[in-house]
Amino acid sequence: AQTVTQSQPEMSVQEAETVTLSCTYDTSESDYYLFWYKQPPSRQMILVIRQEAYKQQNATENRFSVNFQKAAKSFSLKISDSQLGDAAMYFCAYKEKSSGDKLTFGTGTRLAVRP
Amino acid sequence: NAGVTQTPKFRVLKTGQSMTLLCAQDMNHEYMYWYRQDPGMGLRLIHYSVGEGTTAKGEVPDGYNVSRLKKQNFLLGLESAAPSQTSVYFCASSSSRQGPNTEAFFGQGTRLTVV
Repeated sequence: AQTVTQSQPEMSVQEAETVTLSCTYDTSESDYYLFWYKQPPSRQMILVIRQEAYKQQNATENRFSVNFQKAAKSFSLKISDSQLGDAAMYFCAYKEKSSGDKLTFGTGTRLAVRP
Repeated sequence: NAGVTQTPKFRVLKTGQSMTLLCAQDMNHEYMYWYRQDPGMGLRLIHYSVGEGTTAKGEVPDGYNVSRLKKQNFLLGLESAAPSQTSVYFCASSSSRQGPNTEAFFGQGTRLTVV
């Protein structure tokens, strides 16, 4: 079974600085999707960024970018120019392409942003 | 733009009572999911459905039942609630196994307390 590991339960960053959240995963598949979701205090799960495993280029969405290391099975999220509104729980998630019925989540990283 | 709607948003049950959580999506998605979120454990898949009339067990199915009689609705039932089922429950849906729109869209969650 696939597993997703987020080894940082909590992180903190100064406003306007950069922070990186770590995620590793375990799979025997070669083609899959990886996601980062944000969960603010409102509880709503919001997709931040998506990466397809066969694409070499790291995905970027405005201030959010990933460092995808397929061989190392690592998928970290970098948040640049951190804002107070970035404070939230962040979840890394994995989905197979061939039998992609299930989305598997990590345990989450709570990010605090200091003004 | 309703997306995924869960009802109710909050509920308190007594041990042994039963209840049904309703999830409705208006995006014509094939796949629907029920997750539970507990502190330090991320989101764990309870049951899921890959189409109308189908259901399958996820990671933590015991104590729960589901039904998908209509494509747009996915019901989660607790026949005899236990304090261990105190959690936040999320419904999600996604359009396809592969392709650019494979991410899941989430409802706002239901906070269930069993006393």
